[in-house]
Amino acid sequence: GAGVSQSPSNKVTEKGKDVELRCDPISGHTALYWYRQSLGQGLEFLIYFQGNSAPDKSGLPSDRFSAERTGGSVSTLTIQRTQQEDSAVYLCASSLGQGALVVYGYTFGSGTRLTVV
Amino acid sequence: DAKTTQPTSMDCAEGRAANLPCNHSTISGNEYVYWYRQIHSQGPQYIIHGLKNNETNEMASLIITEDRKSSTLILPHATLRDTAVYYCISRTGGYQKVTFGTGTKLQVIP
Repeated sequence: GAGVSQSPSNKVTEKGKDVELRCDPISGHTALYWYRQSLGQGLEFLIYFQGNSAPDKSGLPSDRFSAERTGGSVSTLTIQRTQQEDSAVYLCASSLGQGALVVYGYTFGSGTRLTVV
Repeated sequence: DAKTTQPTSMDCAEGRAANLPCNHSTISGNEYVYWYRQIHSQGPQYIIHGLKNNETNEMASLIITEDRKSSTLILPHATLRDTAVYYCISRTGGYQKVTFGTGTKLQVIP
């Protein structure tokens, strides 16, 4: 597609349930980032994938959060046993890679708004 | 990555130039300054970036001070559609774990 696609756009889930959020990056983009934005807050880094390298998971807030990227393209962020404090907009961004990032920066998706009730 | 500080909010009259400041006093020589904006309910959108020279594109101009400790994003003729949160970040060209701050909420007033 022309842009970064995220699904679902909105998700309401009950506390304790697991959720999966999906990100389809721009075709050919090797770098993929997940960010979280709580209401009125800035963007909080969660995890980064670059090509076949091991992901940087240092931003994941707890072991309930995990992410994978299959075939170097689609990525799934999974939150297990959701808590109310997980409610936020989860944003995915991609870029052509380290060198091109200088020129193009990130391209963000529109995000998934997660509400845990 | 260098920490950046921005005012929490600003107002600008429609048609006037909007000048959004950013301080990055600890920026290192190989770090670029990037600006993004986030319109309500959308993902952040890239605007412009620079290293040490002033830059201009179809969206905005970026003025970086000679000592590179601060910069200003200029929207030459602000419109109501420019109402958004504007983020200033600094980073190198390689991979970096970048955190966006809370940015500046720009309100363009009719």
